Parts: sequence; structure tokens; C-alpha cells
Amino acid sequence: GEDVEQSLFLSVREGDSSVINCTYTDSSSTYLYWYKQEPGAGLQLLTYIFSNMDMKQDQRLTVLLNKKDKHLSLRIADTQTGDSAIYFCAESMDAGNMLTFGGGTRLMVKP
Amino acid sequence: EPEVTQTPSHQVTQMGQEVILRCVPISNHLYFYWYRQILGQKVEFLVSFYNNEISEKSEIFDDQFSVERPDGSNFTLKIRSTKLEDSAMYFCASSRDRGDGYTFGSGTRLTVV
Repeated sequence: GEDVEQSLFLSVREGDSSVINCTYTDSSSTYLYWYKQEPGAGLQLLTYIFSNMDMKQDQRLTVLLNKKDKHLSLRIADTQTGDSAIYFCAESMDAGNMLTFGGGTRLMVKP
Repeated sequence: EPEVTQTPSHQVTQMGQEVILRCVPISNHLYFYWYRQILGQKVEFLVSFYNNEISEKSEIFDDQFSVERPDGSNFTLKIRSTKLEDSAMYFCASSRDRGDGYTFGSGTRLTVV
């Protein structure tokens, strides 16, 4: 079945860029998502990218997709302490289909 | 900004009891979902619901589970006879159109004792 993998933990200093990586196994993944989860809160959709795109930028967020290597990354520019959270990568084969999540990367931002 | 609301935020129940987890999706959304996350594990898909019927379900969603949209606003997940391994955070989500990206609720933490 599909599998999505992420590293468990990332620590950066405030003001630096953060890069969170994700790999997936299903080559038919069409939609790739990044969600953010703060303590006690739900999963907040940050951004998503279609598989026919290489890059998507949205303010401080940049998503890069390497479809050949099945690698997705989320870059957060000028990381702030408020960005500290767990970030989940997810994929689906079709719009509205089930999402397969990675295990989440805990981002810690040090002042 | 519109939200998906889930109640209760935390529920403790005895093994073998029935529980109903409640969700109020965003009012103009048409697609509804339940996911769960067992502590320390990945978020897992349970079921999707559209046009008053289940459109997709996972292996986890066995006969113990059911979903219902009893009125125009609520979307419920029922677990008939809870087991210890049903202890998890249960997330409800909704979307307006396919491909929009879901809006998730804050979750209900279910503890089966």
C-alpha cells in the first residue's frame, strides 16, 4: 500500500529557514498536502500541490516536488517561534479520496 | 473563518460501551470524513461520506463503526462496542469540493478503559 515517511524532528533558530522533507511511495499520487498541528488543535491545511507542478510558493512557504524521486519538501522562510508545531505531509490519488499521512515532523524553533 | 466543530473534546468510556462522536462540518461543505490517530502512530483514514452515503472506507472501519448525518448540520461516528484499541484521537473533516483540501476539526480524544 501507499506509504509516506517523514523525519521525526527538526530544530532551527528563529529567523532561519526550515526545510521539512517527505517521501512517498505511490507514483499515482496526484495531490500532496502539508498540514500543521499545534498542541491541542486540529490539522490546519497549509498548502497543497498537484503532481503536475514542481513548485508552489505562498508567502513564507515554498513547496518543492520532485516527482521522479517521490520527494516533497516544505520550506518555511524566516521561521518564527509561532511556527513551532508538528507538520504532516499527506497524499491522495484523487481529489476527495482518502489522505495517507506521514508520521509528522515536530519543528522546534529556538529564540 | 469557518470551522469544523467536534464534541466532546475528550470522552472516557468503559470497554464494551457504545460511543457517539459528534461533528458539525462547515455549512456549505458537501464531503465529510473521519480520521483517527492512535497515540504515537500516523493519522489514519476511516471513512468518507457524500450525498448521504459512504463513498469510501478503510479496513479499520468494520461493522463496529457507523456514520450518520441525521440532520442538515451534524455528522456522527458511532462505535458500537468499544475496545481498548479504539482509544485514539478522532478527527472529523469536511470539504466543499473534491481537491479543495479538507478542513479538520480539533478532534475528540477517546479513552476506553
